Order: sequence, then structure tokens, then C-alpha cells
Amino acid sequence: GAVVSQHPSWVICKSGTSVKIECRSLDFQATTMFWYRQFPKQSLMLMATSNEGSKATYEQGVEKDKFLINHASLTLSTLTVTSAHPEDSSFYICSARDVRTSENEQYFGPGTRLTVT
Amino acid sequence: AQSVTQLGSHVSVSEGALVLLRCNYSSSVPPYLFWYVQYPNQGLQLLLKYTTGATLVKGINGFEAEFKKSETSFHLTKPSAHMSDAAEYFCAVSDGGQGGKLIFGQGTELSVKP
Repeated sequence: GAVVSQHPSWVICKSGTSVKIECRSLDFQATTMFWYRQFPKQSLMLMATSNEGSKATYEQGVEKDKFLINHASLTLSTLTVTSAHPEDSSFYICSARDVRTSENEQYFGPGTRLTVT
Repeated sequence: AQSVTQLGSHVSVSEGALVLLRCNYSSSVPPYLFWYVQYPNQGLQLLLKYTTGATLVKGINGFEAEFKKSETSFHLTKPSAHMSDAAEYFCAVSDGGQGGKLIFGQGTELSVKP
């Protein structure tokens, strides 16, 4: 149980275009999902907290107009990188918090490798 | 504010040797502590977690960690390393609140020599 999927697993796009990444909790409901960014050989940096039915909460320094987050249902959150630039190339990982637990355990997706050319 | 420091960005051990990955945390409230493992180009897998109760926590794949409040530490150990343990390991802290944000350490890459 507690499986989180991401789609696509990798994507290459041209500079100036937008890319949407999906994060789904497959066998549980998640009122809260998190989006992280990871550069090579570095740790995960929290970008935003996504709450179902409400606006996402962005971490300091993350451009909310560039990284659009939508959490329309209890099993799906999407991250759209708008007007992507090469510096947006990174590994994006989502996680989902199981509403059934009270211990803040997060289940992580397999990640999406974004390359902007 | 919470923070995590992992001592040593890279640890190398021989197969069969003890694995010790160090993690120290800072938290103004009782912390929830986690260890995750990441294989190349994959997401994170939970190894173990401490929330409340017993301070020695056992996880998957033979790993365990001990919460030491006086030392603000949560070091990860495994008695005997396997080649398959080679990966990146992350320690993380949460404040246990409903927000559930995880703060990660910088990671430790574990190499296992035959």
C-alpha cells in the first residue's frame, strides 16, 4: 500500500514552453501533497505544500507564478513549470501524506527528471 | 525552526562492516525523525522513523537508529553492510504538527566495497 506515482518520469522541453507534472496517490487519499526539487548530488528542497481544495503554500524564494500547483482531488496534485528555462532543469519529486496516519509520514513518488533545452 | 545536519557527505565501508551514518537535528519542539534511502534516479523510500516511545527504532533491511535527546542525534546503523546498501541516505525532521513539513539533511552517499 501507500504508493505514489508521478507522470511523466522524464521530460525534455524547449525553453519558453510549459510542462505539467502529475502526482497521484494510488491507494490512499492525500489531503496534503508536497513538491520538492533536487539538484544533482544535493538534498531535497521543499518547494510548496499542496492542500486539496485550497491554494498551495510556497516556500520562501519559490516563484508561485512560475511553479503553478493544483490539488484538485484527494489523489492528484499537479505542478506546472511555466515558461521553463534551462535553470529549471532538475529532478522534481512529490510526496503525499496519508490522512489515515497521524505521524506525518510522507510517501514519495519516483520523481520526474525535467530537462529544458 | 528546525534543521538537520548529516556529518559526512560520503561514507565508504567494506562489505560486512558496520555502517554508521550520523545525523544531528535542531528542533524547538519534540521532533519526529526519519531516515530515507534514495537509489539513483528514484524517489525516496522510508527506512525508519521515530515519533514517540521507544528510542531505538528498527527499520527495513536491517537498519536501526537511536533517538538521543541529550545529544540531539538520530544516527543510523547497520551491523553488516551489503553491496545493495550503496545509495544516498537522507535524515529528516518534522515538527509533528499537522503541517507535516519535512526538513532534510544534505544527504550521505554510502559506498560499499567488496
